[in-house]
Amino acid sequence: ETGVTQTPRHLVMGMTNKKSLKCEQHLGHNAMYWYKQSAKKPLELMFVYNFKEQTENNSVPSRFSPECPNSSHLFLHLHTLQPEDSALYLCASSQELNAIQYFGAGTRLSVL
Amino acid sequence: DQQVKQNSPSLSVQEGRISILNCDYTNSMFDYFLWYKKYPAEGPTFLISISSIKDKNEDGRFTVFLNKSAKHLSLHIVPSQPGDSAVYFCAASGRSGGGADGLTFGKGTHLIIQP
Repeated sequence: ETGVTQTPRHLVMGMTNKKSLKCEQHLGHNAMYWYKQSAKKPLELMFVYNFKEQTENNSVPSRFSPECPNSSHLFLHLHTLQPEDSALYLCASSQELNAIQYFGAGTRLSVL
Repeated sequence: DQQVKQNSPSLSVQEGRISILNCDYTNSMFDYFLWYKKYPAEGPTFLISISSIKDKNEDGRFTVFLNKSAKHLSLHIVPSQPGDSAVYFCAASGRSGGGADGLTFGKGTHLIIQP
């Protein structure tokens, strides 16, 4: 148990659906991150939030929309995704930017 | 263009022997390096880190070595145990502001410890 909880663990959605991924951290951290891991690729940083403010958007398509209502919660809203968006989506948090990051177990997303 | 490279997708080591996992990086602005371990169906777990002002950091069976001139780091596990079988990711960041605010990861090396 890392103190970072992601829900759901698995998600199957059609290309016209709208869904959201949720991440919650119980570590009192100030920074939160979304990463994507596709098959045979390294983890790719998507978004970074520090004290609820977005500090990094790594050229992610607009069909992925992050939301950070407070330092403990991070959402990734998904709409009109493509099959190539199927991947493992990982959330992480850290005490401050560029400190050690602690990861959730991830959401395995399949887009049909 | 991969900035962090782990050129060995897999490595098989006998139990009790030393496991050496390698990682190369290209971005000279990276100044903090981390190793993560990942079991199936779990997220990556932090293992050990090293700052660029050091060339070695040790924590129990795990030692990380950094060669800045070669832009190379390695993780040594000794003695290797069956529970060490996992995928190991090398990651880097520019804490002094030289890179993204997140981590840049390698593709990982699958370590298999043979009994």
